[in-house]
Amino acid sequence: GAVVSQHPSWVICKSGTSVKIECRSLDFQATTMFWYRQFPKQSLMLMATSNEGSKATYEQGVEKDKFLINHASLTLSTLTVTSAHPEDSSFYICSARPQLAGGTYEQYFGPGTRLTVT
Amino acid sequence: GQNIDQPTEMTATEGAIVQINCTYQTSGFNGLFWYQQHAGEAPTFLSYNVLDGLEEKGRFSSFLSRSKGYSYLLLKELQMKDSASYLCAVPRTGGSYIPTFGRGTSLIVHP
Repeated sequence: GAVVSQHPSWVICKSGTSVKIECRSLDFQATTMFWYRQFPKQSLMLMATSNEGSKATYEQGVEKDKFLINHASLTLSTLTVTSAHPEDSSFYICSARPQLAGGTYEQYFGPGTRLTVT
Repeated sequence: GQNIDQPTEMTATEGAIVQINCTYQTSGFNGLFWYQQHAGEAPTFLSYNVLDGLEEKGRFSSFLSRSKGYSYLLLKELQMKDSASYLCAVPRTGGSYIPTFGRGTSLIVHP
């Protein structure tokens, strides 16, 4: 159980275009989903936290108009990188926190999406 | 704020034991996570310590000392597949349990 999928697993796009990444919790409902970015040999950096049905909370320094997050259901969140630039090339990872009574510290990570902007 | 420090890289021999240390500074403590991340893959959860002491889970054990701001991950009977990055993380204060990750320790296991 507790499987999170991401699609696509990798994508190459041209500078100036937009890319959408999907994150799905396959066998549980996720109250909260998180989006991270990881550059080579760097740590995971949280970009934003999204709760189903409400606006995402972005971390300081992350442009909300550039990284659009939609959490339309308890099993799906999407991240759209708008007007992508080469410096946006990175490994994007989502994670999902189960909707359990009393809350939980656990979160389950998706397999990640490798974005390359040319 | 939070600050996490762990060695960048370690090497060990197959079958041996390795200890990966992590020191942290946080304004409020809500436990400490260890994750394993293979290259190009997402992290997988290994452990969560909130009380002092050693917790054992098969070949992997995690230790915590809250007074020293210190934790370690102990890997026994190393296998080649244990070559990965090991991430130490502490949750933010405020009860959200959103982990702040360290840079990770890249462990290389050689024959």
